[in-house]
Amino acid sequence: EVQLVESGGGLVQPGGSLTLSCAASGFTFDNFAMSWVRQAPGKGLEWVSGVSGRGGRSYYADSVKGRFTISRDNSENTLYLQMNSLRAEDTAVYFCAKDRFGSSNFNGYFNLWGQGSLVTVSS
Amino acid sequence: DIVMTQSPDSLAVSLGERATINCKSSQSVLSTSNNKNYLAWYQQKPGQPPKLVIYWASTRESGVPDRFSGSGSGTDFTLTISSLQAEDVAVYYCQQYYTGPLTFGPGTKVDIK
Repeated sequence: EVQLVESGGGLVQPGGSLTLSCAASGFTFDNFAMSWVRQAPGKGLEWVSGVSGRGGRSYYADSVKGRFTISRDNSENTLYLQMNSLRAEDTAVYFCAKDRFGSSNFNGYFNLWGQGSLVTVSS
Repeated sequence: DIVMTQSPDSLAVSLGERATINCKSSQSVLSTSNNKNYLAWYQQKPGQPPKLVIYWASTRESGVPDRFSGSGSGTDFTLTISSLQAEDVAVYYCQQYYTGPLTFGPGTKVDIK
């Protein structure tokens, strides 16, 4: 079955760290760029970060640059998001998402999404 | 950054009637090299992740009913649901992928009147 399953979310104090994982199955993982997109409670969608299929290029929103790191392990078909120096405004459901088309480029629109993992930053 | 705006914020349409959502980008998302508009539309139902509906501004994603259509170019785009069905109740987002950072519109909520 073609799917993405996120894990690793939870409650963390401001200034703390958390790592999200996204396990992919049912497609050739390293053929596709991947992204993280978040959604604060009751709010809209915000793209957070993206990485090329082979992991050589990564991209970040200004709001997380320098605090979050995206990576992937193609041997394990898993995408990661290391989040440091967390703030209250990082509270959101974090979705991993797959590029629509496989290529060496980062296309930036997504045809497969996970169910999301909730990250709550609060003391 | 390219700022995406949508109108209206919400709309209620009778079953079988047309629903029209507008999206505007703060700068053109039309590439002169390939004449493509880097604009996608997503549908999100409560408690679910977004679902890709349209890409390249007017290309319907596989499996999406043909009552959904996208149009527009440059900075102004429209998503049309030609005959609203109960299962179309959702929030719809436009997104530009012309340049980083990728940005989404604030969403338009579609309900049944």
